[in-house]
Amino acid sequence: DADVTQTPRNRITKTGKRIMLECSQTKGHDRMYWYRQDPGLGLRLIYYSFDVKDINKGEISDGYSVSRQAQAKFSLSLESAIPNQTALYFCATSDSTGVGANVLTFGAGSRLTVL
Amino acid sequence: EDKVVQSPLSLVVHEGDTVTLNCSYEVTNFRSLLWYKQEKKAPTFLFMLTSSGIEKKSGRLSSILDKKELFSILNITATQTGDSAVYLCAPANAGGTSYGKLTFGQGTILTVHP
Repeated sequence: DADVTQTPRNRITKTGKRIMLECSQTKGHDRMYWYRQDPGLGLRLIYYSFDVKDINKGEISDGYSVSRQAQAKFSLSLESAIPNQTALYFCATSDSTGVGANVLTFGAGSRLTVL
Repeated sequence: EDKVVQSPLSLVVHEGDTVTLNCSYEVTNFRSLLWYKQEKKAPTFLFMLTSSGIEKKSGRLSSILDKKELFSILNITATQTGDSAVYLCAPANAGGTSYGKLTFGQGTILTVHP
C-alpha cells in the first residue's frame, strides 16, 4: 500500500459543484500539505497543517478549504468548483523535526476537471 | 516574494548524453534546496542540499549548491530513457511556521531518446 493515498484519482465535475479530495497517510508524519500543479507553473501550495489543530493558508488558498480530521487524514474541499480549478492536486507529508521537515512524500495525485 | 527559475524548460537528448539542469532562486531565510523527479505521477525525492560546494551523488546523478550565487545544478551522466521525466527544484525556508515549506520551480522536462 502507498504511504500517501489520495482519492479520487480522477474526477470530472461541473461548475458550481462541491468537491472533496481526500488524503490519508501511513508515514506517521505530523505535517501535511495540499499542492496544485498546472502546466508551466510548477507546484503551488494551497494549505498546510503542522498538526491536527494547526491549519495554515498557502499561496493560493482562495476558493479552497481544508479539514484535518486526524493526524493521518487531510481533506481538501472546493465549495463551488470553477473551471480554473482544473488541475492536478497533490497531497504531501513531511516529518516535523530536523531536516526531514523539508523532505516531502507525495501522493499519486488527483486529477480534477471542472467543466 | 520567493522566486525559483529553472532552465532549460525542456531538453531532448539521446541515450548516453550528459545533461546539466539549472536552478536559480531568491528565497527568504533559505535553509536547503531539494531536487525531485516527476515521471507520470508523484514527484519523488532525489537530493537535499544544505551546504555550498559539497556534491551529492547517487549513481549517475549528482548535484551541487552555490549559496553565494544562489543556484544549484543537477547533472545526469550517461542518460537512459528511464531518466525521461520532469525535474523539479525546490528551495526550502528555515525556521518558525515556514519550516518545511518549499517553493517549487516550474520544472525542466527531460526527454531521452534511444
